[in-house]
Amino acid sequence: DAKTTQPPSMDCAEGRAANLPCNHSTISGNEYVYWYRQIHSQGPQYIIHGLKNNETNEMASLIITEDRKSSTLILPHATLRDTAVYYCIAGNDMRFGAGTRLTVKP
Amino acid sequence: NAGVMQNPRHLVRRRGQEARLRCSPMKGHSHVYWYRQLPEEGLKFMVYLQKENIIDESGMPKERFSAEFPKEGPSILRIQQVVRGDSAAYFCASSIRDSPYYGYTFGSGTRLTVV
Repeated sequence: DAKTTQPPSMDCAEGRAANLPCNHSTISGNEYVYWYRQIHSQGPQYIIHGLKNNETNEMASLIITEDRKSSTLILPHATLRDTAVYYCIAGNDMRFGAGTRLTVKP
Repeated sequence: NAGVMQNPRHLVRRRGQEARLRCSPMKGHSHVYWYRQLPEEGLKFMVYLQKENIIDESGMPKERFSAEFPKEGPSILRIQQVVRGDSAAYFCASSIRDSPYYGYTFGSGTRLTVV
């Protein structure tokens, strides 16, 4: 599985887009990129996943670079309830890294 | 349509006692995964089970920890002779297939405190 690198923390203003980057330069051709988040001490929550193409659902958009070495999770209109730790996972055996602690500020 | 159910939500044990954590997967899910989260740390994979089989236990401590997923009933994570360092949140996830492509659904966790 590919190792991922995420910034440890980010801030975002409420109502603005939150763009969370993830580097996964060693990802192989058949490995997906997954995003989960953990709000406070709750169980992780699935957000989105993708292979090559950009993906969008009701929660977020996932932009994957053409070389697949990095991706960005976009929360288009962040709210205070989006404050959480966001985990990027590259690979199929679901090993979590340290994630990015996103704080949405009013 | 109940999600992944974990119980108890909170468990307090004295050093040396046994802790038993239960996880009932979502209906129709036959794959269960256990994770541990120490305070202020990320989630660490422990074990992956299917019904009556341990598929991957590479994240399990070699001693005192065991897991099972019987044909009937919930998956059980068992910690014998608990020590203070076992205090953590233990999360269970389930999926319908053996690939995360189909999505992992997590429970709310069991917070174990060893006193």
